[in-house]
Amino acid sequence: AQSVTQLGSHVSVSEGALVLLRCNYSSSVPPYLFWYVQYPNQGLQLLLKYTSAATLVKGINGFEAEFKKSETSFHLTKPSAHMSDAAEYFCAGGDNFNKFYFGSGTKLNVKP
Amino acid sequence: ETGVTQSPTHLIKTRGQQVTLRCSSQSGHNTVSWYQQALGQGPQFIFQYYREEENGRGNFPPRFSGLQFPNYSSELNVNALELDDSALYLCASSPATTGGVTDTQYFGPGTRLTVL
Repeated sequence: AQSVTQLGSHVSVSEGALVLLRCNYSSSVPPYLFWYVQYPNQGLQLLLKYTSAATLVKGINGFEAEFKKSETSFHLTKPSAHMSDAAEYFCAGGDNFNKFYFGSGTKLNVKP
Repeated sequence: ETGVTQSPTHLIKTRGQQVTLRCSSQSGHNTVSWYQQALGQGPQFIFQYYREEENGRGNFPPRFSGLQFPNYSSELNVNALELDDSALYLCASSPATTGGVTDTQYFGPGTRLTVL
C-alpha cells in the first residue's frame, strides 16, 4: 500500500531559525504530494502541492518543498520561523486511483 | 464566497447506532471527499464523490456510506457505530474538472463524533 511517513511527531525551533519538516513517500509510481497545515480547532489548509511539474514547489507563507525521487522525500522548509507558524503539519499523497493518504503529522513549536 | 461548512459541530452517539454527517461544499465545487481523523493521527481517506458518483474509496468497511446531492452537498452515513469510530470527520471540496487528486481541496472545520 502506498503511504507517507513523517519523521518526528514534534519539532521545536526558535523564532527566526530554519524550519525543516521531513516526509518520505512509498510509491511504485510517481505520486502527487501535498503539505497541509492545521491550526487548533480548524480544518486543514493547503500549503503547497507537487504534481510532477517543477521539483521545487513554493507555497504560501514562505514555505517550500523539494521532491527528490532518489530519496523518496518531500521535505518542507521555511528559512525563518515565525511564531504564527506554530501548528500541526501533514504530508499527504494521492494516486491515480483517486485515493489520498496522510502522514501522522508533525507539531511545530516555535520558541521566542 | 462561503467556505466548506459541516454540521453538526459535535455529536454523541452510543455503540450500534447510526449517524449522518453533513457537508456543504464551497460554491462552484463539484467534488467532495470525506476523512476520519482519530485523536493524535493524520486524516484517513474514506471516499470521494464527483458529480454524485463515488470516485475513489479508502480502506473503510461498507457501513461507511455516502451521498452527494445535485447541489454538490454531501452526507456521510455510518451504521452500527463502534467505539473506534470516535473521531473528527472532515469534509473537503474541490473545484475538480476531472475529479482527480491533483485538484486543491478546501477543508471544513469538521464534526467531532463521540461513540459511547
